[in-house]
This record gives sequence, structure tokens and C-alpha cells, in this order.
Amino acid sequence: EVQLLESGGGLVQPGGSLRLSCAASGFTFNIYAMSWVRQAPGKGLEWVSGIVGDGSTIYYADSVKGRFRISRDNSKKMLYLQMNSLRAEDTALYYCAKDLISGNGVWEPYDIWGQGTMVTVSS
Amino acid sequence: EIVLTQSPGTLSLSPGDRATLSCRASQSISSNYLAWYQQKRGQPPRLLIYGASTRATGIPDRFSGSGSGTDFTLHISSLEPGDFALYHCHQYGRSPPWTFGQGTTVEIK
Repeated sequence: EVQLLESGGGLVQPGGSLRLSCAASGFTFNIYAMSWVRQAPGKGLEWVSGIVGDGSTIYYADSVKGRFRISRDNSKKMLYLQMNSLRAEDTALYYCAKDLISGNGVWEPYDIWGQGTMVTVSS
Repeated sequence: EIVLTQSPGTLSLSPGDRATLSCRASQSISSNYLAWYQQKRGQPPRLLIYGASTRATGIPDRFSGSGSGTDFTLHISSLEPGDFALYHCHQYGRSPPWTFGQGTTVEIK
């Protein structure tokens, strides 16, 4: 079964750090671009960051650039998001998501999503 | 950044009704790189439509997408009880940032 499972969320004070993890299974992880997408309580979806299959190309939303870092370990089928200098507005459910299609030079919509891990930034 | 505006915010309909959801982009979306997702409470989004009009695997044919350029539409031909949910549009492709609309809730009238 194709599956993504996030972990690492929690309550953190403003200015603090967290590292989110996403364990992938059931598909050839290293050929797919992966992304982090977040959803603040009661709000819509916001793309946060994306990384191609071999890790050579990475993008970030302006709202997290310079504070968050995405990475992947293809040998372990893991995706990560290191979040530093956290702010109250980073409070959200963080999903990892898999691109629909691999290797066609285009960033795709997401056909597989995890259940999400909640990050709460509050003093 | 391409801003996606979904309308209406809430659609109140009855089972069996036809639903029409709109997604308007602030600039033209190349190659119709526009997707639709359904999200039920407490669940992650589910991909319904990509490329503006291609149904994802396992999506019933009562869901259809249309449009090009800046105006896109999701149609649900005859609402079933499980279709009452939140719907998001999403633009993707070659140049980030990729953005989502704010969502349309389809609720039971």
C-alpha cells in the first residue's frame, strides 16, 4: 500500500525549532518529487516547500524561506522539514505529499498525502 | 505569485443536485496545470482532477473539470452524501510558488 506517515509535530515556543519527518512506503520513493503543504486551523492549504527525487532542486514559499529546510534520505525513504525561528503564524497541520507523476520536468499535483502532523507555536 | 480565488465560499445544495464550483486565477495558468481536491473533515485532501479536466484514478465520472487560462470549473453532476465536503483548487507546474484557492464548502441544504 502506498503510504506517507508524518511525525515530529508538537508545541513549541516562538523562536524555537522542530524537525518533521515523513516515512514513505509502497512506491519508488527516489524518483518522485515530494512537498510539504500546511493547513492552519480552519484555513486553506498552503504549499511550503518541494524537493525533486534526487534532492538537486529545492523550492520554498517566501513565508518560510531562510527559516525552513527540506531534505530527503532516499536510502531510508524519508522526507524531512527542519523548521527554525518558528512563529505563531506557522501553527498548522503539516502534510507531506507525493507528486502524481515522476520525471517529466514538471512539478505535479499530489496524489498521495499523509495524515499530517500538527505544529503549534505558542508561548 | 498566482492567486486563486474560489467561489462561492459555501454552496448549499441537496443530494441529487448539480454542483458548480469556480476557481479564477490572477494570471493565465500555463498548460492548464490546475487540479481539484476534495477534503473531508479530519482527512487529508484527495486528488480529484488534474490538468484541468483529467480525472484521477478511481474518481467517479460524476466529477468533471473544465476551463482554461484563468477560469476553471469543477462540476459534480449529481451530489451523493459523501460529496459534501471542502474543495480546493491548486495551480502547479514549472515555476513556484504553487498556490491553492481558499476553498469552497459544499454543504447539505
